[in-house]
Amino acid sequence: QQPVQSPQAVILREGEDAVINCSSSKALYSVHWYRQKHGEAPIFLMILLKGGEQKGHDKISASFNEKKQQSSLYLTASQLSYSGTYFCGTDGRMDSSYKLIFGSGTRLLVRP
Amino acid sequence: DTEVTQTPKHLVMGMTNKKSLKCEQHMGHRAMYWYKQKAKKPPELMFVYSYEKLSINESVPSRFSPECPNSSLLNLHLHALQPEDSALYLCASSQFYKAGEAMSSYEQYFGPGTRLTVT
Repeated sequence: QQPVQSPQAVILREGEDAVINCSSSKALYSVHWYRQKHGEAPIFLMILLKGGEQKGHDKISASFNEKKQQSSLYLTASQLSYSGTYFCGTDGRMDSSYKLIFGSGTRLLVRP
Repeated sequence: DTEVTQTPKHLVMGMTNKKSLKCEQHMGHRAMYWYKQKAKKPPELMFVYSYEKLSINESVPSRFSPECPNSSLLNLHLHALQPEDSALYLCASSQFYKAGEAMSSYEQYFGPGTRLTVT
């Protein structure tokens, strides 16, 4: 099942903060976050693994509540470059296969 | 080199044509993926190859035929497509755990995509 993202869209002024949520009806092994700008490929932002390990290389942070099967992405002091569509990808790992199911996306626009 | 390349960038084909999409990566990744993305929708997984073997087929119609000739290349052969198959086709790659290793989850690197139009 596709994870549910909220909000669907958000508009910010430069410097403002935003939170994007991702919720799954299934137990999760990991949650990925990607950003896609119009006409471009998705770019990796973060992975949050079951057990608490977090991988990422940007100023953007995230959390993963395994029990609630939820993840949140925190964008602080937003920059114009943060504009784009944010997708969470959930890895349910029901068997040995490995696949991501992407949420419906959150469109973020940061204005000057 | 953290780049995934895809060719062609744009493709227009008729419903009776046969064409192929190509994807290449040189990061040593042993998992490669094909996704289909419609406008304003998330990427939708089609196929997963791990160690050059097809591991996941998401019930994709047989008019789409994937091929992984070696660990760096991934093809998607197209035949007798329908107009509703028009979309952005994305290729991605990632590390993959070896048999006997603890499973993990790895970031995916996406190519720029091929914009396919079926007329």
